[in-house]
Amino acid sequence: AQSVSQHNHHVILSEAASLELGCNYSYGGTVNLFWYVQYPGQHLQLLLKYFSGDPLVKGIKGFEAEFIKSKFSFNLRKPSVQWSDTAEYFCAVNPFSGGYNKLIFGAGTRLAVHP
Amino acid sequence: SAVISQKPSRDICQRGTSLTIQCQVDSQVTMMFWYRQQPGQSLTLIATANQGSEATYESGFVIDKFPISRPNLTFSTLTVSNMSPEDSSIYLCSVDSGQGNTGELFFGEGSRLTVL
Repeated sequence: AQSVSQHNHHVILSEAASLELGCNYSYGGTVNLFWYVQYPGQHLQLLLKYFSGDPLVKGIKGFEAEFIKSKFSFNLRKPSVQWSDTAEYFCAVNPFSGGYNKLIFGAGTRLAVHP
Repeated sequence: SAVISQKPSRDICQRGTSLTIQCQVDSQVTMMFWYRQQPGQSLTLIATANQGSEATYESGFVIDKFPISRPNLTFSTLTVSNMSPEDSSIYLCSVDSGQGNTGELFFGEGSRLTVL
């Protein structure tokens, strides 16, 4: 079945550690890719997005993600996490780029950063 | 970005009752979307609501269970009818960014329903 897979459901890191959250999708064709973040008690916010062009995209708060078409992946990275990065992170795909506004979400990854 | 307000933010409901969730946006938007996030699971699209037309439901969701209204370009409601404990979820309203069908959405804070 077509889906979006996030490899880690829970990640625990110490401050200053590097972060990489995996995301794979199973849709062919042109897709739009997103990472959303939900901080405790807040609404979902867009972290970064990829539509086309440079496959390495930069988002807010020092996050970046790399689109690797051959691997159907869009992994999220941050070189040095902070306690304030504690949140739940969702990868999402629009497999109907330009034709329909529909997001398919991964299961989410809960990140806990300890001081 | 759009500011989206949802009411109620949370509620505890009895089995068999219905609850209507309201979504108000601070700007006019063409498309509004209702998502469900069940405990420990990801977000699933329930339906897309366009002003002046019937909502479009995703597979597994039906109008009798989740009736939606979209009376104008800034407001929508989702009703969860004849609730059972399996309907305990967070229900989220979202709108598109207005930059075409990219999939980029803005979300409300969600309405957390617990059905006893």
